[in-house]
Amino acid sequence: GNSVTQMEGPVTLSEEAFLTINCTYTATGYPSLFWYVQYPGEGLQLLLKATKADDKGSNKGFEATYRKETTSFHLEKGSVQVSDSAVYFCALSDSQAGTALIFGKGTTLSVSS
Amino acid sequence: KAGVTQTPRYLIKTRGQQVTLSCSPISGHRSVSWYQQTPGQGLQFLFEYFSETQRNKGNFPGRFSGRQFSNSRSEMNVSTLELGDSALYLCASSFVAGPEYEQYFGPGTRLTVT
Repeated sequence: GNSVTQMEGPVTLSEEAFLTINCTYTATGYPSLFWYVQYPGEGLQLLLKATKADDKGSNKGFEATYRKETTSFHLEKGSVQVSDSAVYFCALSDSQAGTALIFGKGTTLSVSS
Repeated sequence: KAGVTQTPRYLIKTRGQQVTLSCSPISGHRSVSWYQQTPGQGLQFLFEYFSETQRNKGNFPGRFSGRQFSNSRSEMNVSTLELGDSALYLCASSFVAGPEYEQYFGPGTRLTVT
């Protein structure tokens, strides 16, 4: 079945460091891929998405490229800020599996000044 | 435009009781999905409603049920609560149903079963 695997956290970085959070997926069809972010005490916010191979999603300095050949959708940011501290979830949706989002376990990012 | 609202935000129930959670989607959104978030299992899909019809269902027991009203507001019900039902329940809405359409999440209802 469909699944998403994220790197284990927590990830601890200093402000202005480079961020990479790895995400790989398994899907039977041609999924859309998403990154969501969850701040403490809040729901999920869509950070970025890509709907087909080689698409690059970007938002707020974050980027991720849909790589079909490596079934990956790694999240990157060139210079993190303290305000980026949150839990990041990689997710996929596959029309052949219905409308549900399938999430990875989440990666906690902690950025210190 | 107002976001997705969920009520109540916090709830404490006793094992064996039942509970009803409510979700109001973004105005104009007709699809509402529910997810359960726990530390052990992460985020898991419960079900999705579109135009008052359940379109998709996750792998949860029949104690978990839902419905959607003509104004797109949705409720989920959990009967005969178990300790393992303690979780954050998230509701998400989208304009139309379909994997390529963005889902917007509410803040969640934190359910504690004692």
